[in-house]
Amino acid sequence: AQKVTQAQTEISVVEKEDVTLDCVYETRDTTYYLFWYKQPPSGELVFLIRRNSFDEQNEISGRYSWNFQKSTSSFNFTITASQVVDSAVYFCALSDTNAGKSTFGDGTTLTVKP
Amino acid sequence: DADVTQTPRNRITKTGKRIMLECSQTKGHDRMYWYRQDPGLGLRLIYYSFDVKDINKGEISDGYSVSRQAQAKFSLSLESAIPNQTALYFCATSAPMGAGGYSDTQYFGPGTRLTVL
Repeated sequence: AQKVTQAQTEISVVEKEDVTLDCVYETRDTTYYLFWYKQPPSGELVFLIRRNSFDEQNEISGRYSWNFQKSTSSFNFTITASQVVDSAVYFCALSDTNAGKSTFGDGTTLTVKP
Repeated sequence: DADVTQTPRNRITKTGKRIMLECSQTKGHDRMYWYRQDPGLGLRLIYYSFDVKDINKGEISDGYSVSRQAQAKFSLSLESAIPNQTALYFCATSAPMGAGGYSDTQYFGPGTRLTVL
């Protein structure tokens, strides 16, 4: 069975601080995908990134970066120089390519204070 | 216009009533999903469909049923609503990848907030 753990339920930072959201996953599959989604206060869910299990390269997109480490089954998300608009719930998810469905973590609520 | 739409956006109903939530998509994706979101519990999969003739139960399908009327439409029904089905419901579609596989990237509708009194 697949499992995604986001141990940090809530994080609060002050604007311009860097913040890392942790994600640890469990799967028996050798091929899988990992995702991060953002849910701002308005409620919609927005796709941020997808990472294939064969690709352990870190990725940077503007102030966002992701660190995928298969050895520790982790896919952590860092926001550099956080802004108030980054305040949201962030979900990590794991997809089993055979079953075609995703398992989501319980989410981390990030609050960025001005 | 939004690629994935859900109707209604908000609904208040009473225990025992039958409720249908509708989802339509213009993305041309053949895979569609229904999730519910409860505070602190993330997203849990109710049902999913890989095409019009393929319907699968998710982890919390009890008390729900679905209908895939067409590739673009996937409806969720609560036959007899109960208060613990009060939640935010999301429809999603999944994008195929170029090589014919699926990465299961989810594209979500705006959500339906359902309250069962």
